[in-house]
Amino acid sequence: QQQVRQSSQSLTVWEGETAILNCSYENSAFDYFPWYQQFPGEGPALLIAIRSVSDKKEDGRFTIFFNKREKNLSLHIKDSQPGDSATYFCAAGNNRIFFGDGTQLVVKP
Amino acid sequence: GALVYQYPRRTICKSGTSMRMECQAVGFQATSVAWYRQSPQKTFELIALSTVNSAIKYEQNFTQEKFPISHPNLSFSSMTVLNAYLEDRGLYLCGARQISNERLFFGHGTKLSVL
Repeated sequence: QQQVRQSSQSLTVWEGETAILNCSYENSAFDYFPWYQQFPGEGPALLIAIRSVSDKKEDGRFTIFFNKREKNLSLHIKDSQPGDSATYFCAAGNNRIFFGDGTQLVVKP
Repeated sequence: GALVYQYPRRTICKSGTSMRMECQAVGFQATSVAWYRQSPQKTFELIALSTVNSAIKYEQNFTQEKFPISHPNLSFSSMTVLNAYLEDRGLYLCGARQISNERLFFGHGTKLSVL
């Protein structure tokens, strides 16, 4: 059973728009939810993370909205830039962290 | 800042041979190290979680006999892929976690190709 699901394999937005990436998870005991950004040929880089006690976490242009009751969360990227084009992975867990299959974001200039 | 180095970055091995990959945490103490494999399709599989002074826990479909892991101190871990075959191809990622901090940092990964 897949522990973490990302609703879109790919997403295309125009420069300046807000990109919204959605994620859901299975295990209600999960309490840590990081998002990773990965460029081709590189390892995943930690972008932003939230704990289950919070419903929102903001860091610059990146915001996580978290809904514990519904077991879903989303990453909002404001004012998207072409340099944000990458694959974004939602992850969830406690000691063990599980990953979704990623959403490939393309930001068109 | 916290950094994780993995080496080699790329490796090619003949089918049936083994290769070892290493992971170094710099700037922080890695109390736990998680090894993942990322498939060519980008899917992540958790192989095992290693915590210093605790037994290494392997996930279903992964065994110590196939993927032995060493985690001797708070800055270093290694994993070997024994008897590698085509299905073992992928990007092997080491994720290290700081003491009292849940952030999981990854290295660049070791890309394994099998001929």
